[in-house]
Amino acid sequence: DTGVSQDPRHKITKRGQNVTFRCDPISEHNRLYWYRQTLGQGPEFLTYFQNEAQLEKSRLLSDRFSAERPKGSFSTLEIQRTEQGDSAMYLCASSDPDGEGTDTQYFGPGTRLTVL
Amino acid sequence: AQSVTQPDIHITVSEGASLELRCNYSYGATPYLFWYVQSPGQGLQLLLKYFSGDTLVQGIKGFEAEFKRSQSSFNLRKPSVHWSDAAEYFCAVTNDYKLSFGAGTTVTVRA
Repeated sequence: DTGVSQDPRHKITKRGQNVTFRCDPISEHNRLYWYRQTLGQGPEFLTYFQNEAQLEKSRLLSDRFSAERPKGSFSTLEIQRTEQGDSAMYLCASSDPDGEGTDTQYFGPGTRLTVL
Repeated sequence: AQSVTQPDIHITVSEGASLELRCNYSYGATPYLFWYVQSPGQGLQLLLKYFSGDTLVQGIKGFEAEFKRSQSSFNLRKPSVHWSDAAEYFCAVTNDYKLSFGAGTTVTVRA
């Protein structure tokens, strides 16, 4: 078990460019989550997948954001026409149901996005 | 809606001293509660969790937390802090799958 991995770890881009991040969950975890963390704040929920199905999207996820999880394995988060307000740490987490009504989420190292 | 308040933005503690981080949650039903730790530039590592049962839960790195329903609190404690405990600590709550996090408490350890 190698844990959740994310790529790239850092991304610097110019305003208006598109960026894509990748998350590889812990193998056989069927749930995958994306969170966004801005400086001095706790992470905020963005979206959630159960296998390949995207089951919920936060209102924080504007039309410029899209997430996919083809084949229920890795996931990508794309931001189109980036804005300076998109600068943040993007965290991915995965989980497997504990059978206790919720599950324990394990986080990756995050992708730090800086929009110039 | 569920929410978490961590009243202390920053705590400084001497190495070897005890540490307590406060967490208050707002949620109508029995919550599922977590503490995570984040080192600079890193992701979040799970310290411990409370789902049900014994209200005093033990975690990794010598941390423990106590769930107090009457006070809507889930405070994190460690009897003797090590310099490596310097980090940011987040309390989180959920009733299903979405975690709601507090704003975090930064812990500085002085020699």
